[in-house]
Amino acid sequence: QSVLTQPPSASGTPGQGVTISCSGSSSNLGNYYGYWFQHFPGTAPKLLIYRDDERPSGVPDRFSGSKSGTSASLAISGLRSEDEADYYCATWDDSLSGWVFGGGTKLTVL
Amino acid sequence: QVQLVQSGSELKKPGASVKVSCKASGYTLTSHPMNWMRQAPGQGLEWMGWINTNTGDPTYAQGLTGRFVFSLDTSVNTAYLQISSLRAEDTATYYCARQYCSGGTCYSFDSWGRGTLVTVSS
Repeated sequence: QSVLTQPPSASGTPGQGVTISCSGSSSNLGNYYGYWFQHFPGTAPKLLIYRDDERPSGVPDRFSGSKSGTSASLAISGLRSEDEADYYCATWDDSLSGWVFGGGTKLTVL
Repeated sequence: QVQLVQSGSELKKPGASVKVSCKASGYTLTSHPMNWMRQAPGQGLEWMGWINTNTGDPTYAQGLTGRFVFSLDTSVNTAYLQISSLRAEDTATYYCARQYCSGGTCYSFDSWGRGTLVTVSS
């Protein structure tokens, strides 16, 4: 059972938008930045969003992050087939004195 | 260009040991902390801990037993994860990930290795 809760799956059609949620608590997302990673199985995970809503250079602006209270969200607009991947949220947790991840959301582009 | 190149897949018997390497290129290993994560089959990512690449001091996640050891060889810009007394439940893909730090502030993991699959089976 992951400390951060994500829906196990999400889907959308090409061109649509989709939002993936990540629910935490006061010991983690409530006090620390949220981060998002994109992972294609068999490859290196990629940092998609850092410090709640910032994008590393090279990440398309179709990807955006936000946070409110103890929950974070990743929004993807203009879905493309190449967005089909696993998405993980992460943050620091005070109670565990360590980084915690969500269970991951498998995005399917129909 | 920052790259973390990990060693290849391993098949080990229960009770054996394994050492996974993570060679950094494009930057000096001691510039940023190195973290280790694992992903068991069908599961999500789990943070295992990190190693201070300046001092070599490791910090392990709560619940991680003494069978796991992080180490460095700065002469070859490489971090290592050694697992001893392997068990079937250690079967997972193990990732190294650089934690980006700048101006005294550390953020999250900006570069990752492709992962090393360790399979423990008799």
